[in-house]
Amino acid sequence: DTGVSQDPRHKITKRGQNVTFRCDPISEHNRLYWYRQTLGQGPEFLTYFQNEAQLEKSRLLSDRFSAERPKGSFSTLEIQRTEQGDSAMYLCASSLYLAGGLPLYEQYFGPGTRLTVT
Amino acid sequence: SQQGEEDPQALSIQEGENATMNCSYKTSINNLQWYRQNSGRGLVHLILIRSNEREKHSGRLRVTLDTSKKSSSLLITASRAADTASYFCATDASNAGGTSYGKLTFGQGTILTVHP
Repeated sequence: DTGVSQDPRHKITKRGQNVTFRCDPISEHNRLYWYRQTLGQGPEFLTYFQNEAQLEKSRLLSDRFSAERPKGSFSTLEIQRTEQGDSAMYLCASSLYLAGGLPLYEQYFGPGTRLTVT
Repeated sequence: SQQGEEDPQALSIQEGENATMNCSYKTSINNLQWYRQNSGRGLVHLILIRSNEREKHSGRLRVTLDTSKKSSSLLITASRAADTASYFCATDASNAGGTSYGKLTFGQGTILTVHP
């Protein structure tokens, strides 16, 4: 399967614990995005990378959230000291951006990681 | 905050009928994309329309874009029960030069139910 994969698919944690999610993008894609989706809402942008550089972070991404893409391939999203309000689906997407050429703007999403904070 | 606003919030139709969903947005865009999401699953990309395009087709899907009204519509023809899902429009905003910012801003979605 050459799609975007995310691990784990489900995570239940107690308030105050730290959690880390992983995303593996489509191999040839240089951009990787994180979104958060709560029930009944559309996804909200959190942050994105081009290769290993983090180009933008949303104001939604508090100091408790950190994302990395150390080698420009997979990415991790860590949430420290989880709160009940962090309960959501965390979605990862990837795309191919070609500088100087016609960019391919379609983003391909993974199945998501559903986080429940008790 | 959500930029796109979908209308209607929910749509219930019979198999074989057409389904039309509308999306409005607020800022200048480089492109607008439509996605489908089955319950509790990831999003599936359906179609992308660039700001200089007015209409695009893909199979049973037809998308229109009116940048003067900052609105788009998605038409699904001859709907099937398998089309039952949530549909989201997502805008890829642009700077003054028209360059994409890269991130997507989603609306709240339209829940489509197609009855067999």
